[in-house]
Order: sequence, then structure tokens, then C-alpha cells
Amino acid sequence: DIVVTQSPDSLAVSLGERAAINCKSSQSILYSSNNKNYLAWYQQKPGQPPKLLISWASTRESGVPDRFSGSGSATDFTLTISSLQAEDVAVYYCQQYYGTPPTFGQGTKVEIK
Amino acid sequence: EVQLLESGGGLVQPGGSLRLSCAASGFSFGNYAMSWVRQAPGKGLEWVSTISGGGDGIYYADSVKGRFTISRDNSKNTLYLQVNSLRAEDTAIYYCAKEEVVVRYFDKWGQGTLVTVSS
Repeated sequence: DIVVTQSPDSLAVSLGERAAINCKSSQSILYSSNNKNYLAWYQQKPGQPPKLLISWASTRESGVPDRFSGSGSATDFTLTISSLQAEDVAVYYCQQYYGTPPTFGQGTKVEIK
Repeated sequence: EVQLLESGGGLVQPGGSLRLSCAASGFSFGNYAMSWVRQAPGKGLEWVSTISGGGDGIYYADSVKGRFTISRDNSKNTLYLQVNSLRAEDTAIYYCAKEEVVVRYFDKWGQGTLVTVSS
């Protein structure tokens, strides 16, 4: 199985400041035939199901604010919140869908400092 | 609007069984693979099982293989998960999730149904 590891486990950021979450896969999830990275990011607020934010490592879902961006390739990826808002307090998960089973990172809790 | 509504969770003794259901609406159900993803209390997300749109492709996590059975009824727009031989470590919220076409990321999720395995 492809192991996906996030860092840090939690972070506290001041309102309006930048937050960055890292995600590392145990093997490359870049598919050479289409040059796409098979990585998604989800946001989970307390008491709610996960919500898809980003697919293909950097493609934002419709309706997702542009302060959320994804970057990276092959084994190393980053979710960046450019200017943290109060409503962004949540746990964020990355997930690889290159291999079966699909696997998730352990989650990163984002709080307000 | 896509809606996924799970039901069937509850408190069950170790070794017991439940049938989880997920009623789908707002999209062409039979055209999409569907999955179950679970989340133990205070823990992360774990993929459990996937079934293709036509029902002929079925996949399970090793942790549930032989105990859980995924199925679907496209005439009723409903996904099922039969969970047998339940263990304490199966205690979790079970989410129904719609997959994007061809690839295994989850673009829509239900609210989940809680399964608690305890004596």
C-alpha cells in the first residue's frame, strides 16, 4: 500500500496569515502517461463529513475559495491557505488515488493562534 | 444537487451484523462508482470498499475482506454495506462517498452513520 504522511499534525496560525500543510507519499503518484499527480485534499470541519477541496494535486473544486491552493509533484505536496479565515478551522486530509487501496494521510488540525 | 443519505447504523454486540444503506439523489447513480469510507472516533479516514457503477467491479480493504459485502441497486439509487462478524475496531462513522469518474477520489460525501460495536 502507498503510505501517505502529513506534517505537521497540527498548526496554529493567526487570522490572515499563511498556513501550509505538507503531504508525502511513500512512492511517486505521478502517472507518466498523462503527467498527472493522483492526489486530493479534503477539509473536515467538526461534526461534518469531509469536503473535497482539490484534486489532481492542484485543481480546486468549484466553489472553493482561491485562498486554498495545492502544489507539488511525484512524492511531495503542499496545501496552502494564503490568508487564514476563521471558517478554515478544520482538519485537512490528503489522499492518494494512484494505487489501490486509496490511502489518506493522518490529518492536520488547523487552529487559530 | 447531489445528496447521499446513510442509514442503518447502531449499537451491536461483537460478532453481530448490520446492513448499512445509502440513498443517492441528484445524479445518474448507475454511472458512478460508489465507496464506503469510515472514521473511528477521533481518528482519520479509512477507505473500506468500492463498487463500480454496474456492480461488476468490487474492492475491499484487507481489514474487512471476508466480513463486509458491498452491493448496489441502481433501480433504487441505493448503495449497501452488509457488515458481519463485527469487532470493536469496526466502531466508526461510515460514510457513503461518490467517486469521480474512473479515479478513486471522493467528490461527494454523505453525513455518515455511526456503527458502535460493544457488549
